[in-house]
Parts: sequence; structure tokens; C-alpha cells
Amino acid sequence: DQQVKQNSPSLSVQEGRISILNCDYTNSMFDYFLWYKKYPAEGPTFLISISSIKDKNEDGRFTVFLNKSAKHLSLHIVPSQPGDSAVYFCAANTGGGADGLTFGKGTHLIIQP
Amino acid sequence: GAGVSQSPSNKVTEKGKDVELRCDPISGHTALYWYRQRLGQGLEFLIYFQGNSAPDKSGLPSDRFSAERTGESVSTLTIQRTQQEDSAVYLCASSLVGLAGGTQYFGPGTRLTVL
Repeated sequence: DQQVKQNSPSLSVQEGRISILNCDYTNSMFDYFLWYKKYPAEGPTFLISISSIKDKNEDGRFTVFLNKSAKHLSLHIVPSQPGDSAVYFCAANTGGGADGLTFGKGTHLIIQP
Repeated sequence: GAGVSQSPSNKVTEKGKDVELRCDPISGHTALYWYRQRLGQGLEFLIYFQGNSAPDKSGLPSDRFSAERTGESVSTLTIQRTQQEDSAVYLCASSLVGLAGGTQYFGPGTRLTVL
């Protein structure tokens, strides 16, 4: 039973355009959400997070939106750059962020020149 | 370096052997986590340490898996009598619990192959 779902295994976006990665969750106890980026043969790198008390958090080109009623979050990357090509994982946890993370299976983002 | 380090980076072992994986967290980080990632899957939570106690072992898949942590430093994950289904990348993360969100920072992982 997957509690965090990323339904798009891959996404192709043209350089300079907006990339939108989606994530759905089922556990209403989740109160902290994160996005990680992963290159091959490396560990995941933290990108951006959002607490359940907010609906938006922005950091440079990256914005995360949280819709609690729909149990949905999304990561927007604007503008997309070639270095953004990687696998993006959505993750969530409870306990104010202290617990182990529950991850989605990831979306492979490909930025085309 | 200032990041989380793990050793070895790669480990190939025969079915039935024991393996030990090591994690050095970021200095000062009180919380330490182990995850594994099987091929084509997301990361799967295994165990969490706060200091050197383990309040959450819920993710350990069987009693062949165990982990220890020395003080608020190094941790070792031990897999006894390895099976082929144990083949995965084992990732360690650490965080400063108490800060907003306790963002977890990951090491590069140990790729374990059980033949």
C-alpha cells in the first residue's frame, strides 16, 4: 500500500519551460513534505520542503505547492535547465519532521535542449 | 568533508554471508536514518536513531537486519545470512532534529549485491 504516489515515471520538458512534478499521498497524518533530487550513483539531495501549515514555499527557481484537501503536492521548476535532469522524489513524514520519510517511486525529469 | 559519508561504496557478497555497512553522519546531527532502494523503487525506511537509541525500528524487513549507533556518531547496519532479495542501495541520512522539519541529508549510499 503506497502512501506516497508519483504517478508519472518520467517527464520530458523543453529547456526554459516550466517543469511540474506531481505527488499524491493517502496518509492524513503526514505533516511535513519534501522534494529530493537524485543523480545516478549519488544519494538524494534535498531541494525544498513544506510544512502542512503552509500551502506554498518558494526557493529560487523551485516552488512547492500543497493542497491538503486533495492530498496533493507539486514541484514547479521555472525556468527548467539542463542540469535539472534527474530523478525527483517526493517524501513525507509525521512527527513534525523527525520520523522516517515515506518516499514515492520517483519521476525521471528530462530537460531537452 | 562536511556531508554524510558511507562505506563501502560497493559490496558484493555471496548468499548466506554477513555484511556490515557503515555510516558517518554530519557532525552534530542527532538523528540518523537508514533506508534502502531496490531497483526501480523508491526509498524504503528501515530504522531511525535519536542519539544512540532507536525509537523506530519498524522498517527493518526481518530479524536478519540490525543496526547500532555509537554515541551520536557512527552507525553500522548489519545484515546476517544475506539473501538475493537484500540486493539494493543502502542509504544513510542524518538531521538536526528540533529544527523546523528536521530535513534529512543523505550519503552516497552503499550498493550491495548478493550473488
